Amino acid sequence: DVKVTQSSRYLVKRTGEKVFLECVQDMDHENMFWYRQDPGLGLRLIYFSYDVKMKEKGDIPEGYSVSREKKERFSLILESASTNQTSMYLCASSFVSSGNTIYFGEGSWLTVV
Amino acid sequence: AQKITQTQPGMFVQEKEAVTLDCTYDTSDQSYGLFWYKQPSSGEMIFLIYQGSYDEQNATEGRYSLNFQKARKSANLVISASQLGDSAMYFCAMRYLYSGAGSYQLTFGKGTKLSVIP
Repeated sequence: DVKVTQSSRYLVKRTGEKVFLECVQDMDHENMFWYRQDPGLGLRLIYFSYDVKMKEKGDIPEGYSVSREKKERFSLILESASTNQTSMYLCASSFVSSGNTIYFGEGSWLTVV
Repeated sequence: AQKITQTQPGMFVQEKEAVTLDCTYDTSDQSYGLFWYKQPSSGEMIFLIYQGSYDEQNATEGRYSLNFQKARKSANLVISASQLGDSAMYFCAMRYLYSGAGSYQLTFGKGTKLSVIP
């Protein structure tokens, strides 16, 4: 089975802390994505990566950065967490050539206090 | 730019009845794919069904079918014989199918919360 694993299911961090959210996939997918989900807003794309060391901004990149040093791992970084970054974060991955197969992790619930 | 609209924030359906969840999309592109995902309260996104813009037949997967009306730019999800386990958030999503970095990501609607009543 394809597996997308997000390292932390629930996190509580303080304002101003640096936060790392890790995502690992085991299917050799080229594409990896980070989405943020908020009630009433659906899922919004933060960043995506289509290859190692390659990244593209999504719709809401402000306040976030990403790192993809290895193909299987895609990290989302909050340089200085703020309360408005309290949200659910979803990682996803897919092959470049696949039209309809995008796999999601179980999500990370981040609370910034 | 792509845009997905789900106009029903919440819906109720009686167990064993059919329900239709609405989705309209806006794009000027000809080659795209449409998806529906289910998200239970536990948070994981479960892929339900896919329709390609060039597919002539409406997609079906078990109790799920996608009512694709290309001219109207709508891709409604029909769930037949609703079950209590169908209670969840449902998201419509879209991606372009051409090659290129900008085509890979899904654009999501805001979701519809479906509640199945016993």
